[in-house]
Amino acid sequence: EVQLLESGGGLVQPGGSLRLSCAASGFTFSNYAMSWVRQAPGKGLEWVSAISGSGGSTYYADSVKGRFTISRDNSKNTLYLQMNSLRAEDTALYYCAKDSSPYSSSLHYFDYWGQGTLVTVSS
Amino acid sequence: QLVLTQSPSASASLGASVTLTCTLSSGHSSYTIAWHQQQPEKGPRYLMKLNSDGSHSKGDGIPDRFSGSNSGAERYLTISSLQSEDEADYYCQTWGTGIQVFGGGTKLTVL
Repeated sequence: EVQLLESGGGLVQPGGSLRLSCAASGFTFSNYAMSWVRQAPGKGLEWVSAISGSGGSTYYADSVKGRFTISRDNSKNTLYLQMNSLRAEDTALYYCAKDSSPYSSSLHYFDYWGQGTLVTVSS
Repeated sequence: QLVLTQSPSASASLGASVTLTCTLSSGHSSYTIAWHQQQPEKGPRYLMKLNSDGSHSKGDGIPDRFSGSNSGAERYLTISSLQSEDEADYYCQTWGTGIQVFGGGTKLTVL
């Protein structure tokens, strides 16, 4: 059974930093690209960032480019999101999501989602 | 620019059928999309992939009541025999080179 468990959310002041983690199990983690998707309170889903299975390719939404860094440790089956220079508009529930296609260098649809971790940026 | 457009809300009665629509932006009518369901206070759940030819493949455990179809740039999700647990937000998703795109979501109310 595929499981994705996010952690690391919390309350942080504007300009601060936070690192999110997503522990994966139930599939061969290194074979799949992974993404972070966020949802601001009462709003829709917004894709944030993606990383290829090897970690060699990374992609970012314009809203976070230069501030957020996605990475993964395939030996620990864990996905990360380092968030710097946080702003109030980054307040959201952050989900990790598994890409559907193995061994691919390109992105595809998500076939599994985590339950999310809440990030609140406020003074 | 790759954009997905969804109506903000829809409603239908218990036991009835409803069709939700996701429209691809101009020049992208051949794109495959995916449908996801988000029940209140839960994370999203993958429902199905829907190809431009109307063929679709569903996620694990998704009931036969959920089906997909298409017409041109429009992609449809039809839910038949509506149940109370179908009351949720429904999002379509597509992807391009280095990007993922979501529609704004449709909030489905089961009356």
